[in-house]
Amino acid sequence: LAKTTQPISMDSYEGQEVNITCSHNNIATNDYITWYQQFPSQGPRFIIQGYKTKVTNEVASLFIPADRKSSTLSLPRVSLSDTAVYYCLVGPDTGGFKTIFGAGTRLFVKA
Amino acid sequence: DSGVTQTPKHLITATGQRVTLRCSPRSGDLSVYWYQQSLDQGLQFLIQYYNGEERAKGNILERFSAQQFPDLHSELNLSSLELGDSALYFCASSVGGGSETQYFGPGTRLLVL
Repeated sequence: LAKTTQPISMDSYEGQEVNITCSHNNIATNDYITWYQQFPSQGPRFIIQGYKTKVTNEVASLFIPADRKSSTLSLPRVSLSDTAVYYCLVGPDTGGFKTIFGAGTRLFVKA
Repeated sequence: DSGVTQTPKHLITATGQRVTLRCSPRSGDLSVYWYQQSLDQGLQFLIQYYNGEERAKGNILERFSAQQFPDLHSELNLSSLELGDSALYFCASSVGGGSETQYFGPGTRLLVL
């Protein structure tokens, strides 16, 4: 399983763009990259998933370089309600999957 | 609302006891996952079932067991409870068994006294 490394914490201000980078040097060919958001005492919530290049949805963008050894979650114009823990996961598209969430990145958005 | 339901929401019990946590996946989802999250800890993957069969196993203690029934709901059994088992237990479901989006339930908060 590909191990992921993320910053432990990040601070930002409302209205700013936040970029959280995740390293996954031993990602496998059939691995996808998925990001989740978790608020205290709640279950994680899916944000975005990608395989290569760039993926964008109504919430975020995910940038994946050609070598796929890292990925960057981009949150445009964050608000106080974006304060949460963000997890980067790497895993295959099929079959059994030991979901490894890791420690995640604690994002704190200040007014 | 993710569509995944978990019961009970809260559970208080004593050391040495046994409890059962229940999870109903989203309609149409075949996979169920169980996670444990202790205070200020990350999510620890326990086990995954797909259409009634165990598909992947994490660091689940021998005192813990799970199963997925024909109607696809799942139960997590925790026995010989210890103080350190106090945690939030989340269930998630997905359509298949790979990297599909997992939808998490609200969790069961277990307190072992």
